[in-house]
Amino acid sequence: QKEVEQNSGPLSVPEGAIASLNCTYSDRGSQSFFWYRQYSGKSPELIMFIYSNGDKEDGRFTAQLNKASQYVSLLIRDSQPSDSATYLCAVERTYKYIFGTGTRLKVLA
Amino acid sequence: GAVVSQHPSRVICKSGTSVKIECRSLDFQATTMFWYRQFPKQSLMLMATSNEGSKATYEQGVEKDKFLINHASLTLSTLTVTSAHPEDSSFYICSARHGGANEQFFGPGTRLTVL
Repeated sequence: QKEVEQNSGPLSVPEGAIASLNCTYSDRGSQSFFWYRQYSGKSPELIMFIYSNGDKEDGRFTAQLNKASQYVSLLIRDSQPSDSATYLCAVERTYKYIFGTGTRLKVLA
Repeated sequence: GAVVSQHPSRVICKSGTSVKIECRSLDFQATTMFWYRQFPKQSLMLMATSNEGSKATYEQGVEKDKFLINHASLTLSTLTVTSAHPEDSSFYICSARHGGANEQFFGPGTRLTVL
């Protein structure tokens, strides 16, 4: 079992819709959880992080964490074609970061 | 704020040569820097963690004698790929974190091609 698992996609959503990206992790000792966006050929850029159970909102993005289910998700509201990218989930464990393989999102105009 | 630079952005070299990649935090002191490698259509794989003034901690399977990491100051870390071979061709990305902060900030990456 991989430490951090994501569906590789692609996930296709129409412009203006809500995109829902999911991530599960195996280590219950994980403390912090991160979502990054990576455009092709570029390095990842941080969208947001969360470390408490529940929801955390930042603009069009909402991260949701459920430690009991070992599940973290990212919702993107009012999806735009510019949101088309690969979304990486990362988990911090003992001061280092473990990344999932990413979910490719396509927002259709 | 939280800008990390990398140099060079792209390098092509012959097999057997060594390549040095620099990672700099421009507007904060990076107590910890991380080096990742990413092959096409794969995720980031952590190679090593370096703390300023101490030896880097390498991940399992990463040859420390091949990938030399130096974190000489709070704003600079270098990765040297020694005796590079075609299989070392990859996208190398550094990131930096300040103190007890949760988040890391990534440099733009260096694309290495070994002929």
